[in-house]
Amino acid sequence: GENVEQHPSTLSVQEGDSAVIKCTYSDSASNYFPWYKQELGKGPQLIIDIRSNVGEKKDQRIAVTLNKTAKHFSLHITETQPEDSAVYFCAASKGNTGNQFYFGTGTSLTVIP
Amino acid sequence: DADVTQTPRNRITKTGKRIMLECSQTKGHDRMYWYRQDPGLGLQLIYYSFDVKDINKGEISDGYSVSRQAQAKFSLSLESAIPNQTALYFCATSDPDRHTQYFGPGTRLTVL
Repeated sequence: GENVEQHPSTLSVQEGDSAVIKCTYSDSASNYFPWYKQELGKGPQLIIDIRSNVGEKKDQRIAVTLNKTAKHFSLHITETQPEDSAVYFCAASKGNTGNQFYFGTGTSLTVIP
Repeated sequence: DADVTQTPRNRITKTGKRIMLECSQTKGHDRMYWYRQDPGLGLQLIYYSFDVKDINKGEISDGYSVSRQAQAKFSLSLESAIPNQTALYFCATSDPDRHTQYFGPGTRLTVL
């Protein structure tokens, strides 16, 4: 099956700086890569996703890049704010085989005011 | 996400007890999932269901069973709880067209 690795496990940045979280996957058939944000006491929520036919996608301060050849994808958060502090999970899925998702182990991001 | 609800939110039980965690959704999705979250291990899939008559085992189904009572309801049971089943449990639904998963708020289960 798919194996998704995520780094780093913890990340602290100063407010206003950028944060980058990286994930690698093992199954070249995976074609959908979402990122989830989990705030304390809540379930994960989708913040951005990318499909394998696209190399980069941006949504305001958040961007995701995908390198299919190297089988890795990254989340970039610019101009970080304290409310960005949360645990972030990457995931990989072969969307056409029923949406089974494989998650990374999570990154705890702390934005220091 | 208020569209996916889980009950109870917290539960403490003893080894050997039978426990049921319930999930309800108002999103109208056919696909529902149960995940377990442990510190440092991310989310692991326990069971998933693509419709009322379709139930599938996930990565870590041993010690768990599920019931899909209706499109909107998907229950997870621990037949005989053990301490290493202490974890945070999440239910999710998905939109097959967009592949997006919507998670409930979670149930924190402690087995003593």
